[in-house]
Amino acid sequence: RKEVEQDPGPFNVPEGATVAFNCTYSNSASQSFFWYRQDCRKEPKLLMSVYSSGNEDGRFTAQLNRASQYISLLIRDSKLSDSATYLCVVPMSNDYKLSFGAGTTVTVRA
Amino acid sequence: NAGVTQTPKFRVLKTGQSMTLLCAQDMNHEYMYWYRQDPGMGLRLIHYSVGEGTTAKGEVPDGYNVSRLKKQNFLLGLESAAPSQTSVYFCASTLADTDTQYFGPGTRLTVL
Repeated sequence: RKEVEQDPGPFNVPEGATVAFNCTYSNSASQSFFWYRQDCRKEPKLLMSVYSSGNEDGRFTAQLNRASQYISLLIRDSKLSDSATYLCVVPMSNDYKLSFGAGTTVTVRA
Repeated sequence: NAGVTQTPKFRVLKTGQSMTLLCAQDMNHEYMYWYRQDPGMGLRLIHYSVGEGTTAKGEVPDGYNVSRLKKQNFLLGLESAAPSQTSVYFCASTLADTDTQYFGPGTRLTVL
C-alpha cells in the first residue's frame, strides 16, 4: 500500500463551484499533514498545514479524519486561478522527510 | 533573498553522459533534499542531507550521487545517464525541527 494515495481526478468545475477531494495515508502515527499546490511546470508550494482536526484559510478548508486516516481539501467559490494540482503530503518518521501523493488535478472553467 | 535556486533549468543528455545539478539556498536551512517527479507519480526522494558534510539515501538513490560540501549547496550527480532518468528534478530545503519544505523551480532533464 502506498503511504499517501490521492484521487488523480481531474476535477473539472465551473467558476464559483465547490470542489472537494480526499487523500488517504497509511501511517496511523502521523501527527501533521500538508496540502501543497503545484501549478503546471512549476515547483510545489505549501498551501495549508493541518495539525489537528482541520484548518481553514479563506476559501480553502482542510479536514482530518484520524479514525479513517484521510485528509480532505475543500475549495469554495472556485476561481480560475485555483486550477492546479494539489499534493497531499505526510511527514515520514525521521529526518523531516515527506511522503507525497501523486496529486489531484483541478481545472476551473469560466 | 532568492530562496532555493537550481541550475540548470533544462538539459538534454545522451545516454552515458554525466552531469551535475546544483541546488543553492540562502535561507540557512539545515536540511536539503533532491526529488524526481514523473507523470502519475508523487515526488520521490533521491538523496537528502541533514547538514554540511552529511548525505543519506532516499527512496530511489540508484544511479545518483550527491555532495554537500557547503551548507548552502547540495549537488546531484549523474555519472552515466540513462533514459530512465528522464524526469523533472526538484531540490528542497527546510529548517531543522520543521516539516515545511521550500522548493526550487526544478530542472527538466531529458536523456536520449
